[in-house]
Amino acid sequence: EAGVAQSPRYKIIEKRQSVAFWCNPISGHATLYWYQQILGQGPKLLIQFQNNGVVDDSQLPKDRFSAERLKGVDSTLKIQPAKLEDSAVYLCASSLSRRTGGPSDTQYFGPGTRLTVL
Amino acid sequence: KQEVTQIPAALSVPEGENLVLNCSFTDSAIYNLQWFRQDPGKGLTSLLLIQSSQREQTSGRLNASLDKSSGRSTLYIAASQPGDSATYLCAVASTDSWGKLQFGAGTQVVVTP
Repeated sequence: EAGVAQSPRYKIIEKRQSVAFWCNPISGHATLYWYQQILGQGPKLLIQFQNNGVVDDSQLPKDRFSAERLKGVDSTLKIQPAKLEDSAVYLCASSLSRRTGGPSDTQYFGPGTRLTVL
Repeated sequence: KQEVTQIPAALSVPEGENLVLNCSFTDSAIYNLQWFRQDPGKGLTSLLLIQSSQREQTSGRLNASLDKSSGRSTLYIAASQPGDSATYLCAVASTDSWGKLQFGAGTQVVVTP
């Protein structure tokens, strides 16, 4: 079974530039998550999709970050414009969860995209 | 607001010793707790998931316990090997969210040959 795919793996940009990350979840997984992991910290959830609808985006800085999940499969996360503090690893994860409410099940993570903002 | 703490931040043990990793959380109203492993430059790999109704979960050399009332979980790794060197993170899914995990900062483990 193929895992969660992410691209690019690394990205270096200057502040105020734009950047986009792509994620392809495990086939059949209804729920997709984007996390931000700053060096030395645990991942922080940015946005969660159930199929192509947003379940939780309470920690997404909406003035500069946006995300979409087309047709309930692939997803893109965009930052525009980037700031120095956006330097982090951006992780995508997916889970099977098909219920509209209830406990989470096991999340499967991609390798992440390491973003450096200069 | 749920807070998850992992102590110590780093740990070094000789090969063959048992590893004991600790995780504490402030709100006992949880659905489950998960332990992950993270290797440098890679994503997270799920190790164990303990439902709130369970006391422990085992997989091979790994055993995780959960004491919801005291807000603690412990991950035991028996007979450690150099390949166990990684960062171990715990994460809690609280009942006021669905699928939203609150992570600790992790414990970096080095197993020396």
